[in-house]
Amino acid sequence: AQSVTQPDIHITVSEGASLELRCNYSYGATPYLFWYVQSPGQGLQLLLKYFSGDTLVQGIKGFEAEFKRSQSSFNLSKPSVHWSDAAEYFCAVQHNYGQNFVFGPGTRLSVLP
Amino acid sequence: EAGVVQSPRYKIIEKKQPVAFWCNPISGHNTLYWYRQNLGQGPELLIRYENEEAVDDSQLPKDRFSAERLKGVDSTLKIQPAELGDSAVYLCASSPLTGLNTGELFFGEGSRLTVL
Repeated sequence: AQSVTQPDIHITVSEGASLELRCNYSYGATPYLFWYVQSPGQGLQLLLKYFSGDTLVQGIKGFEAEFKRSQSSFNLSKPSVHWSDAAEYFCAVQHNYGQNFVFGPGTRLSVLP
Repeated sequence: EAGVVQSPRYKIIEKKQPVAFWCNPISGHNTLYWYRQNLGQGPELLIRYENEEAVDDSQLPKDRFSAERLKGVDSTLKIQPAELGDSAVYLCASSPLTGLNTGELFFGEGSRLTVL
C-alpha cells in the first residue's frame, strides 16, 4: 500500500532563514506528488504539484520542491521564510489520475521573529 | 467564485448523540471527498463521490457513519451514534473531473467535532 512519511513532526526556523521540509513515499511507480499547507482553523491549500518533466517545481508563496526518483523523495524548500509561513505542511501522493490522495502526517512549522 | 462551503464549523455533542455535517462543493466539481483529520495528523479519506455515486467508501465505518450526495451536488455526512473517538475535524474537498488532470483538491474550512 502507498504510504507517505514526513520525518519531521515540528520544525522551528527564524524569519529570513531557509527551510526544507522532507517527504518520502513508498510506491512502485512514480506517483503524482503534492504539497499542501494548512493554516490554523483553515482547510488545506495547494502549494505545488509534480506530475512529470522538470523535477524542480515552483509553487506559490515562493516555495519549490524537488522530486528525486532515486530517493523516493519530494522535499519542499523556501530560501527565506516569512512569519506568515507558520502553518502545517502536508505532502500527498496520488498514484494515478482519479485515484485517491494519500496524505502524510504533516510537519508543523514555527517561525521565530 | 465561491469555495467549498462546510457547516457547521464547530459542533459539540455528547456521546451517543447523532451529528450531521454538510458540504457544498465548488460549482461544476464532479468529485467530492470527505476526510477525517485527527489532531496532529494528516487527512484520511472516508468516502469519495463521483457525481452522485460513492466510488470509494472502503474507509467509512458503516456501522455508524453514512453519507449521501443527492443530485450530485452537495453532500451530508452523518454519524449516529457518535463516540468519543469521533472527535476530529471533518474536511470536505472537491475537484473537477475533466480530461485535464489538475490534480488539485479544493478544501473547505472543515467541521470540528468534539464528543464529550
